[in-house]
Amino acid sequence: DAGVIQSPRHEVTEMGQEVTLRCKPISGHNSLFWYRQTMMRGLELLIYFNNNVPIDDSGMPEDRFSAKMPNASFSTLKIQPSEPRDSAVYFCAAAGNYGYTFGSGTRLTVV
Amino acid sequence: QKEVEQDPGPLSVPEGAIVSLNCTYSNSAFQYFMWYRQYSRKGPELLMYTYSSGNKEDGRFTAQVDKSSKYISLFIRDSQPSDSATYLCAMRRNTGTASKLTFGTGTRLQVTL
Repeated sequence: DAGVIQSPRHEVTEMGQEVTLRCKPISGHNSLFWYRQTMMRGLELLIYFNNNVPIDDSGMPEDRFSAKMPNASFSTLKIQPSEPRDSAVYFCAAAGNYGYTFGSGTRLTVV
Repeated sequence: QKEVEQDPGPLSVPEGAIVSLNCTYSNSAFQYFMWYRQYSRKGPELLMYTYSSGNKEDGRFTAQVDKSSKYISLFIRDSQPSDSATYLCAMRRNTGTASKLTFGTGTRLQVTL
């Protein structure tokens, strides 16, 4: 089992550009979570899915953020247009019986 | 007030010391408590998982939960330089996989030689 796989590992983009972050969750894990981590605010839940259906997107900061899970093996988080304050590490996590398995994250820098 | 409070540190201890990491929380509905360890530039990994009040031991690590005080702790005995990481507490209300975790902000630990 390769665990949760995220891509890209690093992304540097200019303000105003569209950014797409990708996640391949663990096969058979039905719930998927997107988190953002910064020094100031720690881990913040953005959105989560259960059986590919968005359950709670109240953490999505604004309409510039959107997330999809078209099937059980793939999810995307899109920011359009990106802003410098979006710079953070974005994690995807799959929920098991006892907790989450996190991916290695995507470090996003918006300049 | 945040639902889960955790001192960000940093906490610096010499090798071999006993480390105590703590979190307080305000929501009495939390029943499942976890500790995650996060190395630099990595994702958090599950370290300890406990249900309700009590202690759980795994090697050098002991997790304690005191629901009456809304206080959880992680103790590390005989700390090693490889324990240097950020430790995040997390908790949730029920056990369904769709149940979301609420995290503390993490405590950065440095174990020195």
